[in-house]
Amino acid sequence: KNQVEQSPQSLIILEGKNCTLQCNYTVSPFSNLRWYKQDTGRGPVSLTIMTFSENTKSNGRYTATLDADTKQSSLHITASQLSDSASYICVVMNTGFQKLVFGTGTRLLVSP
Amino acid sequence: DAMVIQNPRYQVTQFGKPVTLSCSQTLNHNVMYWYQQKSSQAPKLLFHYYDKDFNNEADTPDNFQSRRPNTSFCFLDIRSPGLGDAAMYLCATSRDRGSIYEQYFGPGTRLTVT
Repeated sequence: KNQVEQSPQSLIILEGKNCTLQCNYTVSPFSNLRWYKQDTGRGPVSLTIMTFSENTKSNGRYTATLDADTKQSSLHITASQLSDSASYICVVMNTGFQKLVFGTGTRLLVSP
Repeated sequence: DAMVIQNPRYQVTQFGKPVTLSCSQTLNHNVMYWYQQKSSQAPKLLFHYYDKDFNNEADTPDNFQSRRPNTSFCFLDIRSPGLGDAAMYLCATSRDRGSIYEQYFGPGTRLTVT
């Protein structure tokens, strides 16, 4: 069954600290993996998209990694800011059906 | 700026009263999607349009319909909303339907059913 699991479910960190969010998936055949940021009451906004051959991709203070062998990805946030408080959703595209399989997200709260 | 716009942002409707949610895009994308997202859950794809071709998900209730009168606009019609249909409805677009194409989401419409 195609699934995407994220951990932790929620996280609280102090402003300025780093954090890492995890994503494990069983989607097959794999096409690409995306990280989205979703502010409360808003639509998801894309942070990164990674294909099978990419191990690391950065977008400002966000760095995503992908290990296609173990089917794991992480999103590292450096020097967190209050505006980073949001849900972070890992999404995997299935090549066969060309559908996005969404994780349920990690809710991050950055505290002053 | 090119974008995906959803109106209204908040919609309150009565149980059983038909409601229409609107999505427009200035990206000139071929594909438009409608997702339902309930609290603390992942978005669930309801259906999508590839140009004028309507593609319904197998488990989308008949209560949900969609129209795409032109490239820019797509509507979600809920014929008889139930309490369980209260959710955030997200519209998204992509240039094409292949796996490499990014999906761009609108801000969502939060639907309340009273």
